[in-house]
Amino acid sequence: EVQLVESGGGLVQPGGSLKVSCAASGFTFSDSAIHWVRQAPGKGLEWVGRIRNTVNNYVPRYAASVTGRFTISRDDSKNTAYLQMNSLKIEDTAVYYCTGARDYYGSEEFDPWGQGTLVTVSS
Amino acid sequence: EIVMTQSPATLSVSPGERATLSCRASQSVTTNLAWYQQKPGQAPRLFIHGASIRATGIPARFSGSGSGTEFTLTISSLQSEDFAVYYCQQYSNGYTFGQGTKLEIK
Repeated sequence: EVQLVESGGGLVQPGGSLKVSCAASGFTFSDSAIHWVRQAPGKGLEWVGRIRNTVNNYVPRYAASVTGRFTISRDDSKNTAYLQMNSLKIEDTAVYYCTGARDYYGSEEFDPWGQGTLVTVSS
Repeated sequence: EIVMTQSPATLSVSPGERATLSCRASQSVTTNLAWYQQKPGQAPRLFIHGASIRATGIPARFSGSGSGTEFTLTISSLQSEDFAVYYCQQYSNGYTFGQGTKLEIK
C-alpha cells in the first residue's frame, strides 16, 4: 500500500522550533520529490516547499512566506523526509501535509498525500 | 507568482445533476494543472492531472478540460460522495493552489 505518514506535530510557542517527519512506504521514495503543503484552520491549501530527488541533487525550494525559517531535508535510507520549522509565528498554525510527486517537469502533480499533522503556534 | 482563481466559491447542485467548476490562471500554465478533492478531516486526493487525465481509480463521470489559462472540472451526474471541496493547482512555474470551490448539496 502506498502510504505517507506524518508525525511530530504539536503545540509550540511563538519564536520556537519544531521538526515534523514524513515516513513513506509502498513506492520508490528515492525517485520522488517530496513537497510540504499546509492548511490553516478553515482555509485553503498553501504550498510550503519541496526537496527534489538524488538525481536532481536534492535541491530545495520554498514559498516566500517560509524562506529563511523552514528547511526541508530527506534521508532516502530511511524513506523519510523532514520539515524543520524555526522562528515560528502564530500564522504558521496549520495542518502540515507531506506529498510525493514525480520529479520531472510537466508531471509534478501531488500524489500520494499523508494524513497531515497539526502544528499549533500559541503562547 | 501565478495566481489561481476558482469560481464559484460555493456551488449548490442536486444529486444526479451536472456540476461545472472553473479555474483561471493569471498566466499560461499550458496543461500543468491538477484538480484535488478534499473532504472534511481528510487529506486532499488527486483527481485530475495534466488538465484532463483522470488519476487512478477516479470515476469516468469526472472530466477535466482546458489549457493555457482557463480550465474546467465537470462532474456529469453528481453522486452523494462527490460533495466536497475541489482545488485546482498549477505546477508549471512553482506550485500554487486556487482558493477552492465547495460543492454542496442543493
